[in-house]
Amino acid sequence: DAGVTQSPTHLIKTRGQQVTLRCSPISGHKSVSWYQQVLGQGPQFIFQYYEKEERGRGNFPDRFSARQFPNYSSELNVNALLLGDSALYLCASSHTGTADYEQYFGPGTRLTVT
Amino acid sequence: AQSVTQLGSHVSVSEGALVLLRCNYSSSVPPYLFWYVQYPNQGLQLLLKYTTGATLVKGINGFEAEFKKSETSFHLTKPSAHMSDAAEYFCAVSDRGSGNTGKLIFGQGTTLQVKP
Repeated sequence: DAGVTQSPTHLIKTRGQQVTLRCSPISGHKSVSWYQQVLGQGPQFIFQYYEKEERGRGNFPDRFSARQFPNYSSELNVNALLLGDSALYLCASSHTGTADYEQYFGPGTRLTVT
Repeated sequence: AQSVTQLGSHVSVSEGALVLLRCNYSSSVPPYLFWYVQYPNQGLQLLLKYTTGATLVKGINGFEAEFKKSETSFHLTKPSAHMSDAAEYFCAVSDRGSGNTGKLIFGQGTTLQVKP
């Protein structure tokens, strides 16, 4: 079975631009979570979606938004990019999104803002 | 608020030696606890998790961890290090309380170096 897939793999953007990152969960998984991992740090929770509804949101500005589609894939959008948004963005999927179910992580999208 | 502290950002061991990666957490309710491994340019892979039951948890690749409530710790161990264990290791906690969103709070990570 295919794991969690993310696209693109790498992305270079300029300050002020907007970016869209995509994630396809494992087949049968209804929950997708997004994390930001800045170099040298642990991942930080951005959003969780379950059955197309936002279930949780981390401490990120409104420039960050996300949505989940009927096929459970998800997009993360970041507007007005700042240099500090440069990071590895990880997507994780799970059956229900609850704490007792394992979350499976994708390989991530490396975003560089110049 | 929940938090995770990993003691030692960098740990170096010789091949065949004991691996010990330390993790302490703070949580107002008994949490779920996890250890993830990240190889260069890859995502995170779950090594093991504690939810309920036995406090000594066995995971993949010979790793295990023990939940000690009195010490609020969840240290990761492996009796004999292998070169392929060299990676970044993250301890994480998740709130089983209200909401139960599965949101993971990660520590800063520990880089494990294995010397031949």
